[in-house]
Amino acid sequence: KAGVTQTPRYLIKTRGQQVTLSCSPISGHRSVSWYQQTPGQGLQFLFEYFSETQRNKGNFPGRFSGRQFSNSRSEMNVSTLELGDSALYLCASTEGGVGGGYTFGSGTRLTVV
Amino acid sequence: QKEVEQNSGPLSVPEGAIASLNCTYSDRGSQSFFWYRQYSGKSPELIMFIYSNGDKEDGRFTAQLNKASQYVSLLIRDSQPSDSATYLCAVTNAGNNRKLIWGLGTSLAVNP
Repeated sequence: KAGVTQTPRYLIKTRGQQVTLSCSPISGHRSVSWYQQTPGQGLQFLFEYFSETQRNKGNFPGRFSGRQFSNSRSEMNVSTLELGDSALYLCASTEGGVGGGYTFGSGTRLTVV
Repeated sequence: QKEVEQNSGPLSVPEGAIASLNCTYSDRGSQSFFWYRQYSGKSPELIMFIYSNGDKEDGRFTAQLNKASQYVSLLIRDSQPSDSATYLCAVTNAGNNRKLIWGLGTSLAVNP
């Protein structure tokens, strides 16, 4: 069974640009969550999608958005990039409930210059 | 007060010893508890989950949950250098809007 696939692995963007990250969950997993990880803040929850609907949202500004497609693949978009958006962005999938364990992708390392 | 607290470490143990990692949480209604391991430069991977009070064993790993004290721990027996990593505790919050709340992690170093 293939794992969670995130693309691209690395990205360098300039302040003010926008970026789209992609996540393909494990086959059969309908829930996809996105996290931002930085050394000082740890794992910060961005949002969760389940069956194409945003089920949960963290405390990030509206510049961060996402969506999920009918095949459960998900994308995350960050507009008007800021230096502070430099981080590892992780996607995790699970079959359905929050009570189940998540499987993480390898992440996308975003650097904003 | 942080919702999920872990000692940042580093926790240093000799090879073969028992490593004990602790986590406290503030939401008394939390129901699911997870331990993840994250190697440097890698993504977190699930080691154990526990839902009920008591101990749960899986190989060299034992998770312990005490809901009355709002405390969950992870014991690693016969620690190996390959266990050196950051260990993240995650807890589901209570209520309808359930999500995972993460601790900042404990760095473990197992010395040969």
